[in-house]
Amino acid sequence: QAGLTQPPSVSKDLRQTATLTCTGNSNNVGSQGAAWLQQHQGHPPKLLSYRNNNRPSGISERFSASRSGNTASLTITGLQPEDEADYYCSAWDTSLSAWVFGGGTKLTVL
Amino acid sequence: EVQLVESGGGVVQRGGSLRLSCAASGFTFNNYWMTWVRQAPGKGLEWVADIKQDVNEKNYVDSVKGRFTISRDNAKNSLYLQMNSLRVEDTAVYYCSRQAGAFDIWGQGTMVTVSS
Repeated sequence: QAGLTQPPSVSKDLRQTATLTCTGNSNNVGSQGAAWLQQHQGHPPKLLSYRNNNRPSGISERFSASRSGNTASLTITGLQPEDEADYYCSAWDTSLSAWVFGGGTKLTVL
Repeated sequence: EVQLVESGGGVVQRGGSLRLSCAASGFTFNNYWMTWVRQAPGKGLEWVADIKQDVNEKNYVDSVKGRFTISRDNAKNSLYLQMNSLRVEDTAVYYCSRQAGAFDIWGQGTMVTVSS
């Protein structure tokens, strides 16, 4: 089943802003929106946002999500060392009747 | 505290079977769709299957259709994944997750290793 497309890696300096992208199609991101998850090495994923820009309680306002057409974005402001992690997007695909994930983006904070 | 705890992982030979369990606590289990997601070593996340609150709807990724069966027991607040005809490529950490618009709660995962 086709997944969503994410860049494999992004590197940014401490305290800078990183924008991660996730590209799908009209059957998933374009119509259903995307969710974003953060995963630190050796730990389960953690939900950061869903339906484009709803944040679960306890998630920092430094994380914000948006969507334009079939591409979803996650913007992280004021990068901190603890933001270094893998980031995944996910969406329900109405054509596949399946959830699809992106391949993940490894964010390095320099 | 909202919590999901998986169990049942282990090492199994190709063609063998395993049954994973996920015990839920801290929320009304029968109000939510529940999901299994897996992650092969060093790889990304892959959705495996999900099941509706009333058990009447189940969905599977193509690669496990006919081999894996998702089920739940709402009286026991438990989710299950019966895995048959296991393949080497099924080797992964298997997570159970609650669906509430997205995968909002995750367990710690249980490792399944299929040896050749």
